[in-house]
Amino acid sequence: GAVVSQHPSRVICKSGTSVKIECRSLDFQATTMFWYRQFPKQSLMLMATSNEGSKATYEQGVEKDKFLINHASLTLSTLTVTSAHPEDSSFYICSARDGGFRSGANVLTFGAGSRLTVL
Amino acid sequence: DAKTTQPTSMDCAEGRAANLPCNHSTISGNEYVYWYRQIHSQGPQYIIHGLKNNETNEMASLIITEDRKSSTLILPHATLRDTAVYYCIVPDNYGQNFVFGPGTRLSVLP
Repeated sequence: GAVVSQHPSRVICKSGTSVKIECRSLDFQATTMFWYRQFPKQSLMLMATSNEGSKATYEQGVEKDKFLINHASLTLSTLTVTSAHPEDSSFYICSARDGGFRSGANVLTFGAGSRLTVL
Repeated sequence: DAKTTQPTSMDCAEGRAANLPCNHSTISGNEYVYWYRQIHSQGPQYIIHGLKNNETNEMASLIITEDRKSSTLILPHATLRDTAVYYCIVPDNYGQNFVFGPGTRLSVLP
């Protein structure tokens, strides 16, 4: 089945630095990928929709200059957390639609997530 | 906001069937219902989806009411490894956005 790989799985950085998280579709092409954020004991919150070859669409309240998304190829989207601060510490999860509609539906495949800790 | 409502938590004895309900009373005729689960500190895992008919796969069964306003996910023989948060999702934005509600925290007890 479709597989989405995220890297790194865990990252610790100092406040003020930038961190890049990669999301790759391993066995399919993904024109659209989604980035979510999850705080402890909360549900996933959609941050942005990443479209190959065009600008990402951000959800209300998500700072596009802080969370830079690049979707340069059909198999790779990256999320860069710029000038990270402790409040950016969270679990970041990407997902992709494999495009091979299962029974006419748009099933999303999720990555394993990346846990960011900002000191 | 999520278009579904689910109980906050449920318990199930190991080896018994786990029946997880979901209400989606505003679902429209061409919208699918998807079920995912999230085990602690992992990404969500796809379980099953359906439109009108009941569905079954190697993981679970999905029962959708005739009026499509609710559905039930059935894990026929729950194991300890099925302990997770289960999400019932009806995507919005013409099926593009998967909005996650709080889900149901299922605890399978020995």
